[in-house]
Amino acid sequence: ETGVTQSPTHLIKTRGQQVTLRCSSQSGHNTVSWYQQALGQGPQFIFQYYREEENGRGNFPPRFSGLQFPNYSSELNVNALELDDSALYLCASSWKGQDSDEQYFGPGTRLTVT
Amino acid sequence: GDSVTQMEGPVTLSEEAFLTINCTYTATGYPSLFWYVQYPGEGLQLLLKATKADDKGSNKGFEATYRKETTSFHLEKGSVQVSDSAVYFCALSKYNQGGKLIFGQGTELSVKP
Repeated sequence: ETGVTQSPTHLIKTRGQQVTLRCSSQSGHNTVSWYQQALGQGPQFIFQYYREEENGRGNFPPRFSGLQFPNYSSELNVNALELDDSALYLCASSWKGQDSDEQYFGPGTRLTVT
Repeated sequence: GDSVTQMEGPVTLSEEAFLTINCTYTATGYPSLFWYVQYPGEGLQLLLKATKADDKGSNKGFEATYRKETTSFHLEKGSVQVSDSAVYFCALSKYNQGGKLIFGQGTELSVKP
């Protein structure tokens, strides 16, 4: 059983650019959630994807968008990057349908916007 | 809205000391409660959870009891080790909100030999 993987590990972008982050869910999981963790803070929910559709969204602007693919992997896209977008982006997968909301996290992608 | 508040860190303890990290929550309905741990350079790992009032979650010597009357879910361990040094996050979720986790700000624990 493979865990949640994310790529890239680190990247540096310039303000105004666009970025795509990738996540492969844990084997057997059908739901992917994305979180933004600013330095010294707890993760903030961005959105969740289930069956290739957005299934809940946090308080993030539309320039944060995502996709889920038939193999349940996912992408997070951020347009018009701002300095405040610098953070650790965490992906979490789970199996929708269980009684619990247990999510399994990947190691994250560290994004720096200059 | 729903929220989680944790005691501020960093918390510095000597090995074998008793640990308490306070966590309180504000939420309507009946949330599930979680403790996650984040080791340096890694993602979050679920440490323990409780899904209803008076449930006790436990794992690796850590325990937390879901107290609805005080809206608390304090993390405890009787004897900490250097390897427990990490950042600990308290979180809640509600089943009808698509699995969205709401986290506290995290408490850094440093255990000295």
